[in-house]
Amino acid sequence: GQNIDQPTEMTATEGAIVQINCTYQTSGFNGLFWYQQHAGEAPTFLSYNVLDGLEEKGRFSSFLSRSKGYSYLLLKELQMKDSASYLCAVITWKGGGNKLTFGTGTQLKVEL
Amino acid sequence: DARVTQTPRHKVTEMGQEVTMRCQPILGHNTVFWYRQTMMQGLELLAYFRNRAPLDDSGMPKDRFSAEMPDATLATLKIQPSEPRDSAVYFCASGSPGTDTQYFGPGTRLTVL
Repeated sequence: GQNIDQPTEMTATEGAIVQINCTYQTSGFNGLFWYQQHAGEAPTFLSYNVLDGLEEKGRFSSFLSRSKGYSYLLLKELQMKDSASYLCAVITWKGGGNKLTFGTGTQLKVEL
Repeated sequence: DARVTQTPRHKVTEMGQEVTMRCQPILGHNTVFWYRQTMMQGLELLAYFRNRAPLDDSGMPKDRFSAEMPDATLATLKIQPSEPRDSAVYFCASGSPGTDTQYFGPGTRLTVL
């Protein structure tokens, strides 16, 4: 099976930088996603990593190390609207297709 | 702008009743996923389809849950009979051919009394 670990909660200050870590143990790894979910809303796609390294997209960056089973999401210049749950999800091959298994999410609170 | 739609958005029912949730994937997407989200368990995959064929429904309680895709524009998830432990938000997501990115619908918030 898959095991995905992320911190339950984090708090950061507006304008600062925060790094949310995700570690995973899985077989048949095919890539990793980060999703953002605001309270009462659907998850929305943030980033996708399949190769080792850093992917940058505006204020958000995501890093992957396949050999270490480790990823992080980096949020820069934090804004109040970044307060949300951040879900790490790994892709594995199953049943003739790729499926996503989600971590339980990291609840980020951005304070003034 | 293309979005996954789900109906109903909210459903309150009594234990033992049948519940049907519907999803319209984004036009042109060929994969459809059903998830259930609770505070305790997080986001769990129930079933998924590719080109309308079921690929994996191992996450779904078989005795009461069923998922189908009658056509490319409609996916359904049924619970019969419903139980209070089924109370959760049920999300549908779809993906386009050749990619793994999934786009989520707004969810159906189900409460079983």
